[in-house]
Amino acid sequence: GAVVSQHPSRVICKSGTSVKIECRSLDFQATTMFWYRQFPKQSLMLMATSNEGSKATYEQGVEKDKFLINHASLTLSTLTVTSAHPEDSSFYICSVPGLAPWFGEQFFGPGTRLTVL
Amino acid sequence: GDSVTQMEGPVTLSEEAFLTINCTYTATGYPSLFWYVQYPGEGLQLLLKATKADDKGSNKGFEATYRKETTSFHLEKGSVQVSDSAVYFCALSGYGGSQGNLIFGKGTKLSVKP
Repeated sequence: GAVVSQHPSRVICKSGTSVKIECRSLDFQATTMFWYRQFPKQSLMLMATSNEGSKATYEQGVEKDKFLINHASLTLSTLTVTSAHPEDSSFYICSVPGLAPWFGEQFFGPGTRLTVL
Repeated sequence: GDSVTQMEGPVTLSEEAFLTINCTYTATGYPSLFWYVQYPGEGLQLLLKATKADDKGSNKGFEATYRKETTSFHLEKGSVQVSDSAVYFCALSGYGGSQGNLIFGKGTKLSVKP
């Protein structure tokens, strides 16, 4: 399966600043990547689907101007949390769909813990 | 809409005990069902899957059977080890198309004591 990395693994920032999180597919070209958010003791919630060379598709209730997604190449997608606030503190996880995406298998990055002070 | 409900944790067992983590789902159509595992400090990994009714997924001693009549996909292992301590997520594929969107349960934390 695909190997997915995320950088940074942890980030602490001040309120009002922007933070960029990178998701890389190390051995697999991905036209699609998914971004999830996970709150403590909660399930993963899909935020958006990142599409290489085109605009991301956001889930209902996710602010596209707050969570900017760029998928500039087949191996890299970035999530930028703009003007971060404490309520944006969370665990952000990206994933890459498998070769048989219609079966729903995905390969996940290790996640990025964002803390906004 | 589609949803997944799994038993609340945490679950604490002694080594070699029998494990069951319940998972039920609500879905239109015929979803694929998954169990993902998240070990401490690592990303989610696919543990096993089943793509149609009556399929049994298995891996590393874990098993789950796709039961359409009871809309369930319970995870079982006959004899757990300390190394099985992790958070387990039940999930289904929300769409039948190429997006392969996953809908997750809340996760069940398993702790196995020696």
